Amino acid sequence: AQKVTQAQTEISVVEKEDVTLDCVYETRDTTYYLFWYKQPPSGELVFLIRRNSFDEQNEISGRYSWNFQKSTSSFNFTITASQVVDSAVYFCALSENSNSGYALNFGKGTSLLVTP
Amino acid sequence: DAGVTQSPTHLIKTRGQQVTLRCSPISGHKSVSWYQQVLGQGPQFIFQYYEKEERGRGNFPDRFSARQFPNYSSELNVNALLLGDSALYLCASSLDRDTEAFFGQGTRLTVV
Repeated sequence: AQKVTQAQTEISVVEKEDVTLDCVYETRDTTYYLFWYKQPPSGELVFLIRRNSFDEQNEISGRYSWNFQKSTSSFNFTITASQVVDSAVYFCALSENSNSGYALNFGKGTSLLVTP
Repeated sequence: DAGVTQSPTHLIKTRGQQVTLRCSPISGHKSVSWYQQVLGQGPQFIFQYYEKEERGRGNFPDRFSARQFPNYSSELNVNALLLGDSALYLCASSLDRDTEAFFGQGTRLTVV
């Protein structure tokens, strides 16, 4: 069963628009970690954020912000005033202590295209 | 500081051959994990090593094996290659088993 669902396969926006990428996760653990990664066309996964299950505070880093809501098992990512350089595939991931150690369970990703 | 380095960056192999992929973690990081990413999908977990011991294994056949060396670098071996093994293989380095994982640029393996 898919533990992380990113329902939006592709999103296309015009530069300077705000865009929100959705992430819904599933776990029975009380201790877990949530991540967002960016994968530009070069292929390398770029770490954006890690959040533990006990910290529901929203976080803002420049144009990026994250909304963690345990009540809806969601960890959404918003880019404000998008730029062409934001074009990439974005992955949400869940890490929990399991038989696979602390493996990252990735969603299928959301491809974001920002056009001028 | 150097990030996670993987070698080679690209590789072409024939079905049935064996391949070894290498990864050097960030200095001071003791955990290395391997992931396989096929086109259009999210990365899939293969192995996690911490302090030179296997700490987790994903749903991959026994043709896949790995090890971690005393300097914390790691190798991923794949035997009897199949066409379906063609993918981007990513190595992730972290300070501990459950901390932020930083990825290398990957090795793109093509099996023909």
